[in-house]
Amino acid sequence: NAGVTQTPKFRVLKTGQSMTLLCAQDMNHEYMYWYRQDPGMGLRLIHYSVGEGTTAKGEVPDGYNVSRLKKQNFLLGLESAAPSQTSVYFCASSYRLAGLYEQYFGPGTRLTVT
Amino acid sequence: RKEVEQDPGPFNVPEGATVAFNCTYSNSASQSFFWYRQDCRKEPKLLMSVYSSGNEDGRFTAQLNRASQYISLLIRDSKLSDSATYLCVVTAGNTPLVFGKGTRLSVIA
Repeated sequence: NAGVTQTPKFRVLKTGQSMTLLCAQDMNHEYMYWYRQDPGMGLRLIHYSVGEGTTAKGEVPDGYNVSRLKKQNFLLGLESAAPSQTSVYFCASSYRLAGLYEQYFGPGTRLTVT
Repeated sequence: RKEVEQDPGPFNVPEGATVAFNCTYSNSASQSFFWYRQDCRKEPKLLMSVYSSGNEDGRFTAQLNRASQYISLLIRDSKLSDSATYLCVVTAGNTPLVFGKGTRLSVIA
């Protein structure tokens, strides 16, 4: 099993450009998440999904959109990138939303917006 | 007040030392508690769950104090390979996990 994979691993964007980050999991998990991690800020939840076709806002959703068309994939879109979106983005998945269920993380995407 | 607060660190300790991290949480409805480990430039991974009665996994001991709303992680006989950032994680019922900012540990030879 590959677990959680993320594409791409690195990306540099110019301000105003758009891009989509792809997350895929092969563990048949219902729940998927997108986080961003910045120095001194810790992991902050952007959006999450409790199942195919559903999405919900997290702590910092502005400037991002998501889609969960297939159970195994969770896409994060930046419509018009800004320098403030320079960050490391982690995708994660879990069997359940809470309780004693581990979240599995992907390796991260390092995004720089110039 | 942040939902989950941790010792800021960094903690620099010699090999073989015992080190303890504390974490406080503000939501009294919190039900599940975890410690995750994150190596430099890597993704977080679950280290251990924290049970009400406290639990141990080898050199690692986790404890929960619901009355004071804090959890702790004790690492005995520190190894160089324990150098990482330790994330305190809390969830209340059917809500997403809330991560602390992490405490960085450096174990020095």
